[in-house]
Amino acid sequence: DGGITQSPKYLFRKEGQNVTLSCEQNLNHDAMYWYRQDPGQGLRLIYYSQIVNDFQKGDIAEGYSVSREKKESFPLTVTSAQKNPTAFYLCASRYVFGQGNQPQHFGDGTRLSIL
Amino acid sequence: DAKTTQPNSMESNEEEPVHLPCNHSTISGTDYIHWYRQLPSQGPEYVIHGLTSNVNNRMASLAIAEDRKSSTLILHRATLRDAAVYYCILRDFSGNTPLVFGKGTRLSVIA
Repeated sequence: DGGITQSPKYLFRKEGQNVTLSCEQNLNHDAMYWYRQDPGQGLRLIYYSQIVNDFQKGDIAEGYSVSREKKESFPLTVTSAQKNPTAFYLCASRYVFGQGNQPQHFGDGTRLSIL
Repeated sequence: DAKTTQPNSMESNEEEPVHLPCNHSTISGTDYIHWYRQLPSQGPEYVIHGLTSNVNNRMASLAIAEDRKSSTLILHRATLRDAAVYYCILRDFSGNTPLVFGKGTRLSVIA
């Protein structure tokens, strides 16, 4: 079945460590997105990518980095510079970038906690 | 993208219809109205979208006001599985910007 796979589902990090969250999609979508969600809040955009080897900062990019070397993959690295990384991270993708009527598909998320 | 306003929370009895309102008074003529919902501990899922006319699909109906400044998501018979946060989002016709999520409406369904 086509979809978006995020792994791992739960992730623990020690302070001062970088950690990478995986996001893979087999929907042949052009655009991919990373959001962060804190308890009781809506989703906030971290980074997004419209095509391979190109990406743009969202509203809260500080302390995060991404790469888009393949169409199917958009990993997110939470660096030690992110002072409050504990959150629920959601990856999304969308078919045919450039059309406002296309829905965005989401993965099931990764919950990151600091030890 | 233009901003939307939704009630923080709503409650419904099981098997009764639910009308979830959304105000978007600054909507432009080329904005689509999208609805997503997020079940607990899951990513959001697409529910429905429309531009000017009312829309129906297997999940819900979308009623759009004639002046397009408001819309209503209609769940015809609420089930316990419909308990979620519902987001109303405007999306430019070009689709060149990511979805912007507000806090949405938390729907509780009572058995």
